Amino acid sequence: GAVVSQHPSRVICKSGTSVKIECRSLDFQATTMFWYRQFPKQSLMLMATSNEGSKATYEQGVEKDKFLINHASLTLSTLTVTSAHPEDSSFYICSARALDSIGTDTQYFGPGTRLTVL
Amino acid sequence: EDQVTQSPEALRLQEGESSSLNCSYTVSGLRGLFWYRQDPGKGPEFLFTLYSAGEEKEKERLKATLTKKESFLHITAPKPEDSATYLCAVGSGGSYIPTFGRGTSLIVHP
Repeated sequence: GAVVSQHPSRVICKSGTSVKIECRSLDFQATTMFWYRQFPKQSLMLMATSNEGSKATYEQGVEKDKFLINHASLTLSTLTVTSAHPEDSSFYICSARALDSIGTDTQYFGPGTRLTVL
Repeated sequence: EDQVTQSPEALRLQEGESSSLNCSYTVSGLRGLFWYRQDPGKGPEFLFTLYSAGEEKEKERLKATLTKKESFLHITAPKPEDSATYLCAVGSGGSYIPTFGRGTSLIVHP
């Protein structure tokens, strides 16, 4: 099956610093990747859709200057949380879009990154 | 606008006590209905895709079914290791971005 990795799995940083999270599709090429945020006991909140070679599409209410997304290759997308503050602490999960055997889009998720901003 | 509603929000079962989780949806042109399992602190793990009403898929103790309005995830003789949050999502013809439900938190007691 399709495997998606994320790095780091958890990060603790000081307020005001920037943090980069990597998302990689390991055994397939992903033209589209997604970034989600999840609060405790809440469902997934889509932040942005990342297409290889083009600018990301952000969901309403998500600051594009705060959450920088780069999708430089078919297997790598990065999310940079700039000037992080405690309210940015959350669980960030990426997913990659793949086509199954009959051509239906399926999202395969990474293991997530726990960000804690002190 | 696509909508997905999962019920119950939380479910506690005794080991061996079979039950079902529900996912009701409204969508314009269903491309696929997806079930995921999510363990605490982990990303969702893909389980099934169902494409049309009447379709069923099985994996170990899990069986997913689909009608034109809802999907059920049946859990037969669950074990404690089946404890997780189960997420349902639908993909529609208008967008390749699926709409997720809020999930059902399942706890299976030994």
